Amino acid sequence: NAGVTQTPKFRILKIGQSMTLQCTQDMNHNYMYWYRQDPGMGLKLIYYSVGAGITDKGEVPNGYNVSRSTTEDFPLRLELAAPSQTSVYFCASSWGLAGGNTGELFFGEGSRLTVL
Amino acid sequence: DAKTTQPPSMDCAEGRAANLPCNHSTISGNEYVYWYRQIHSQGPQYIIHGLKNNETNEMASLIITEDRKSSTLILPHATLRDTAVYYCIVRVALIKAAGNKLTFGGGTRVLVKP
Repeated sequence: NAGVTQTPKFRILKIGQSMTLQCTQDMNHNYMYWYRQDPGMGLKLIYYSVGAGITDKGEVPNGYNVSRSTTEDFPLRLELAAPSQTSVYFCASSWGLAGGNTGELFFGEGSRLTVL
Repeated sequence: DAKTTQPPSMDCAEGRAANLPCNHSTISGNEYVYWYRQIHSQGPQYIIHGLKNNETNEMASLIITEDRKSSTLILPHATLRDTAVYYCIVRVALIKAAGNKLTFGGGTRVLVKP
C-alpha cells in the first residue's frame, strides 16, 4: 500500500492564482481530512469528508474548496491564492473506531505552498 | 472536545525513559486521549490512544490517572529518532457524521540528546 499520497510536494503561486492539491489514499478509508500547518504551529483542520459525496467545513475553510467524488480522492482547491495561505498542507485518512480499529489518522507527507 | 495543556519543550537522554505529561482537566467521560508525534515537518504519526485504562504498544505506554484529568506518555528507551513534537489530543469517540477529526494544539517539542 502506498498509503496517503499528496501532490505536488512543493509549489510557488502568485497572488490571485488558483491551484488544486491532490490527495489519494489506497486503504479504502471512509474518512479524509485536509489540515494546514503554519510555521511553528499545530495543525488546523480545513475540510473533512465522511464518505464519497459528503464534505464539511473544519476550523479554517475560508479560501478553500473540496470535493469527494470517489472514496480514494479528496482534492483541495485554492481559489485566488493569498500570502496568508502560505503553509504546509497535510491530507489524512482514517477508519472509524468500530471493529477494533484505532481510528488513527494516516497522514501524507505534506505539500509546501508559498504564495508570493 | 476538551482542551489539553502540555509543556512546550523538554529534553531527555538517549536510552532513558521519556515521560511526557498532558493535562486535560475538563475531559468528559466519553472522550479518548490520543497521542501523535511529528518528526521534522513530516506528517503526524499516531502513537497510542486510551479511554480509561493504561495502554501499551510497541511504541509507547499511556498512563491515564484515575480521575482522567491528566495522562503521561512514556517512551521507554528514547532514541535520537524520537526527537519530535508530541501532541496530546482529547476527543470524543468517533461520531459517524463528524469523522475522527482531531484538534492539534502546540504540542511538546522533545529533544533526545546523546
